[in-house]
Amino acid sequence: QKEVEQDPGPLSVPEGAIVSLNCTYSNSAFQYFMWYRQYSRKGPELLMYTYSSGNKEDGRFTAQVDKSSKYISLFIRDSQPSDSATYLCAMRRTDDMRFGAGTRLTVKP
Amino acid sequence: NAGVMQNPRHLVRRRGQEARLRCSPMKGHSHVYWYRQLPEEGLKFMVYLQKENIIDESGMPKERFSAEFPKEGPSILRIQQVVRGDSAAYFCASSPQGDQPQHFGDGTRLSIL
Repeated sequence: QKEVEQDPGPLSVPEGAIVSLNCTYSNSAFQYFMWYRQYSRKGPELLMYTYSSGNKEDGRFTAQVDKSSKYISLFIRDSQPSDSATYLCAMRRTDDMRFGAGTRLTVKP
Repeated sequence: NAGVMQNPRHLVRRRGQEARLRCSPMKGHSHVYWYRQLPEEGLKFMVYLQKENIIDESGMPKERFSAEFPKEGPSILRIQQVVRGDSAAYFCASSPQGDQPQHFGDGTRLSIL
């Protein structure tokens, strides 16, 4: 079993839809949780960084962490074609970071 | 405020040659991480360095691969005697401290002929 599981998709939604991206993990030692966005041929770009269980909102993006269920989510409201990218979840314990495989999202105009 | 700079962006080598990938971290960042990404796969950790020290190299293949982050200059990931299976995108990330989020460069795409 992988330490971090993420559905690779692909996921295709119409413009304006609410997108839900999810990851599960097996190691309760993970303390910090991140979401990165990666456009084709580019490096991952940090979107959200959270520590505690609960929600964190930044514009159209909301990150949700449920440590008891070992489950994290990223919600994108009013999705735009420019949101089309691969979204990677990441989590860290001390100095050790692990990434999900990434979910490829396409938002169709 | 320049981000993480990696060069070259693309590197082509023949089997048996050496590949050198360079990474200049963001200003003020002294922690550097190298990852490898294959198509349709996530980022695989390779090595974590702080100035002049290797902190964690648990993801680095035992042979042919080495990394350094000297006191002056960029971090270097070196692959000796490259093989076709080394073809991948190699990403560098940096952070100001080990417990801070990592910021990535745009990677070096290595192709082995």
